[in-house]
Amino acid sequence: QKEVEQDPGPLSVPEGAIVSLNCTYSNSAFQYFMWYRQYSRKGPELLMYTYSSGNKEDGRFTAQVDKSSKYISLFIRDSQPSDSATYLCAIPGGGSNYKLTFGKGTLLTVNP
Amino acid sequence: NAGVMQNPRHLVRRRGQEARLRCSPMKGHSHVYWYRQLPEEGLKFMVYLQKENIIDESGMPKERFSAEFPKEGPSILRIQQVVRGDSAAYFCASSYQGQGDYGYTFGSGTRLTVV
Repeated sequence: QKEVEQDPGPLSVPEGAIVSLNCTYSNSAFQYFMWYRQYSRKGPELLMYTYSSGNKEDGRFTAQVDKSSKYISLFIRDSQPSDSATYLCAIPGGGSNYKLTFGKGTLLTVNP
Repeated sequence: NAGVMQNPRHLVRRRGQEARLRCSPMKGHSHVYWYRQLPEEGLKFMVYLQKENIIDESGMPKERFSAEFPKEGPSILRIQQVVRGDSAAYFCASSYQGQGDYGYTFGSGTRLTVV
């Protein structure tokens, strides 16, 4: 079983829609969870990180962790064409907290 | 306040040549990480370095790949005798402390094409 699994999509939504992006993970010991955004031909940019369970909100973005089901989510409200990118979940794991294990990424397109 | 700087942005090499990728971390950061992104795959950890030390190279292919982070100058990822399978985007990241719990900052990457 892979440490982090992410539905690759692609996902296409109209402008203004609520977007839900999800990952599952295998190791219940994981405590930190993060989401990166990667625009085409660019490097990953850290969007949000959360610790343990619960929600964290930043503007139109909400990160949610459900440790009981090993499920992490990123919600985007009022999605904009500028949100079109690949979203990657990442978890410090692989036996050390400096090594990030990434999901394969979900390609999101927001259509005007 | 420049971010993580990588160069070149694009690199084309013929099979059998050497590729040298450079990474200058953010100011004040002494921890550097290299990741590789192959087509249709996620980002994969390659190596973690501090100044003059390789801390973890468990993700590096055993042959042809090496990395260094000298006391002065940028970190270098070196690929000898490149093959077509080395074509990928290589990203460098840096952090102030040697931990990824809060994420770290990535550069824009070097896209290596082997022809």
